[in-house]
Amino acid sequence: TQLLEQSPQFLSIQEGENLTVYCNSSSVFSSLQWYRQEPGEGPVLLVTVVTGGEVKKLKRLTFQFGDARKDSSLHITAAQPGDTGLYLCAGPSGNTPLVFGKGTRLSVIA
Amino acid sequence: SQTIHQWPVTLVQPVGSPLSLECTVEGTSNPNLYWYRQAAGRGLQLLFYSVGIGQISSEVPQNLSASRPQDRQFILSSKKLLLSDSGFYLCAYPLAAGEQFFGPGTRLTVL
Repeated sequence: TQLLEQSPQFLSIQEGENLTVYCNSSSVFSSLQWYRQEPGEGPVLLVTVVTGGEVKKLKRLTFQFGDARKDSSLHITAAQPGDTGLYLCAGPSGNTPLVFGKGTRLSVIA
Repeated sequence: SQTIHQWPVTLVQPVGSPLSLECTVEGTSNPNLYWYRQAAGRGLQLLFYSVGIGQISSEVPQNLSASRPQDRQFILSSKKLLLSDSGFYLCAYPLAAGEQFFGPGTRLTVL
């Protein structure tokens, strides 16, 4: 089973700061997905990256897929309290639909 | 529009008691449904998936079971709960490119 390691595990920053979180694997993935989960709710899909080197932007969020398709990053510009949540990366692995990382828990303080 | 309902929202059960969690879906023609558990420090773990009525595959051996009595209904059960069954249970179905659309979840606490 392919594993996804996310870092950092926890991140607490002030409103307006920039941040980057990472999703790494020793295996190649055909695609990677990013989700955000708020407390007491299910994860919500943010984006899917499918091409090595691909960059996708979603307002203040920038997602990048590594050239070798083994890693991905999420950069948030000028973080806001509404960005607070658990950020999960996931990718297809073998016969299972998806394997998930353990997530990065982000807290943005006003 | 696509909707997943999960019931109950929260549940507190004693060790050894039975469990039944329900998931119903609307607005999708995809027959595949999934049960995940999210426990502290362990991330999202796929428990069961179903490709149709009466068809269940288990990903992790445990004291839980799943059933698919109707096309849009997926049930997670246990005859005797363990402390380790505590967690946040999520039902999901796949979107076009394999991404998961998750329900709102059920928080289970086993005491």
